Amino acid sequence: NAGVMQNPRHLVRRRGQEARLRCSPMKGHSHVYWYRQLPEEGLKFMVYLQKENIIDESGMPKERFSAEFPKEGPSILRIQQVVRGDSAAYFCASSSTGRDSPLHFGNGTRLTVT
Amino acid sequence: EDQVTQSPEALRLQEGESSSLNCSYTVSGLRGLFWYRQDPGKGPEFLFTLYSAGEEKEKERLKATLTKKESFLHITAPKPEDSATYLCAVQAPSLQGGSEKLVFGKGTKLTVNP
Repeated sequence: NAGVMQNPRHLVRRRGQEARLRCSPMKGHSHVYWYRQLPEEGLKFMVYLQKENIIDESGMPKERFSAEFPKEGPSILRIQQVVRGDSAAYFCASSSTGRDSPLHFGNGTRLTVT
Repeated sequence: EDQVTQSPEALRLQEGESSSLNCSYTVSGLRGLFWYRQDPGKGPEFLFTLYSAGEEKEKERLKATLTKKESFLHITAPKPEDSATYLCAVQAPSLQGGSEKLVFGKGTKLTVNP
């Protein structure tokens, strides 16, 4: 019974490159959330998606960041033209119904921008 | 704006020394309060959900309680394996229809010495 799977676990990118982070939700879960965690900071909400729909992207930076959750395949968080400030741990979480159900988190992707 | 404040930031206990962690929240219309445990290099692991003032939940050495303004996580006779960061989060109705995002506190880092 696999949990939320994220890959890669670690990702190193040079400034200006693109980063693609992947998330496969738990089996039976159709709601996906992306969070970012900076050192000494709490988890910050970025975006909430259901299959083929972005429900809430109020936490996403307006530029360079995008997310998708296609009908088939994992959810993707894409960061274009990365800068050093993008270095962080990015966590994906999934839930079954969204409403009142707990989020189950993956182990994150640690992005380092050099 | 929904806010979650956790205290203390860090707590050191001797094995067997019981204590409590605090989570104060400001939210318009609480739908649920969640406790998670996070180990270094891992994603948050779900512990409890509390929905209304007066509610209590227990799991092994942990007990979570909820009032109208705060929640406590009581740890009874802790063991070294309870060492982790404990995160509190609130879920509130969102202006973005259907969004069920969680707002997290920064966490309490618990260390239990043998």
